[in-house]
Order: sequence, then C-alpha cells, then structure tokens
Amino acid sequence: LAKTTQPISMDSYEGQEVNITCSHNNIATNDYITWYQQFPSQGPRFIIQGYKTKVTNEVASLFIPADRKSSTLSLPRVSLSDTAVYYCLVGDGYGGATNKLIFGTGTLLAVQP
Amino acid sequence: NAGVTQTPKFQVLKTGQSMTLQCAQDMNHEYMSWYRQDPGMGLRLIHYSVGAGITDQGEVPNGYNVSRSTTEDFPLRLLSAAPSQTSVYFCASSTQGQGGYEQYFGPGTRLTVT
Repeated sequence: LAKTTQPISMDSYEGQEVNITCSHNNIATNDYITWYQQFPSQGPRFIIQGYKTKVTNEVASLFIPADRKSSTLSLPRVSLSDTAVYYCLVGDGYGGATNKLIFGTGTLLAVQP
Repeated sequence: NAGVTQTPKFQVLKTGQSMTLQCAQDMNHEYMSWYRQDPGMGLRLIHYSVGAGITDQGEVPNGYNVSRSTTEDFPLRLLSAAPSQTSVYFCASSTQGQGGYEQYFGPGTRLTVT
C-alpha cells in the first residue's frame, strides 16, 4: 500500500509561487499521482494528476522526478482563495486489495495578504 | 449531470440507532467510495466498490456496511451508531484505472451521534 508523506502546513504570501512536495517511496509501477484541494466544509476537488515528468494545467503544475519517489505540486502566484488543504494520493485506481485510494494527512496552505 | 449527491446533509442519531447514508452518481462511474473526516483530520477510507456487486473494506470499515446493487447507488449503513462515528462523511466516484482519474466528491453528510 503506497503511503504518502507531506508537510503538515505551509505559509505563503499573495503573488508568490508555492511548491508542496509529497514523498511516496513505495510507489508501484502502475500508480499515478493525484493532487486534491479541500476547502472547509467541502469535499476535496481534483487539481492535477500525473505519471512521470511534468504535467501542467490551468491551475497548477506537477513535477515528478525519474524515480517517481516524490512529486511536487506547484501553484503559481497564489491568492488568498488558495488557502486550503492539499492532498497527495498515489494509486492505480483499480481499488484492488493492495492498492486503495488512500488520502494522507494533507498540507494546510495558509496564504497571507 | 447532478454529479455525486448525498442525503441527508445533516443527521443527529442517538447511540445504538442505525441509519443509512445515501449516495448516488449519474456519471456511470465504476469506482465509488466512502470516506469519513473527523474535525481537523484528513479523510479516511471506509469502504469502496469497483463495480456493481463488488465491495471491499478500506482503512476503517468497522461499524459500517455497504452494498452496491446498481452502478449509480452506494449506500453506507451504520449498524449501531456510536459517538466515535461523529464525523463528516463523503462519498466519491470515478472511472477505474489511470489512478482513479479525478474522483468526484459529494457535498458530505455531517453526522452527530449523542
């Protein structure tokens, strides 16, 4: 069961780039890396997913080194509304006995003006 | 599409009572799951299903039952409510494979057990 480790919290200021790193040393060959964002009193929301190298969409970039044992979510020019908990998940999505989609503790990002 | 819907939004139970939390999705997703989130904590997987008729346990299955008779519905049953089950419950669905690409979450059910 691939587990993830993230920093518990991070602070930033508006307009800065924020990088949140997730460690997943036991990632399996078929596993993808997915990041979610959660605001208080809401369900998590998908941000980005990748398998290797770099993935970019309209809200974030995901950097995955060759060994895939870690990944970094990059949020460009954060604003106050980016204050949330960010979760990194690792899995192949088939929900098998040894590979369920498990959320870690997440990283609380606090953006200050 | 309504996405993932959950009912009720709020529920108060007395210790020992049973109830069913409803979850439905209209996206024809194979994979559905239930999570609980305690105050200030991350989400913990209770049960999940990879298709109609197939369910399996997650991290914290004790005290809960699930069934998946149709692709659309995945109810979660609390057998005998306990104060430790006070939590917010989220249902999610996604297509299978490819990392469980983009799980869609419902709005949650806030449950209090007294």
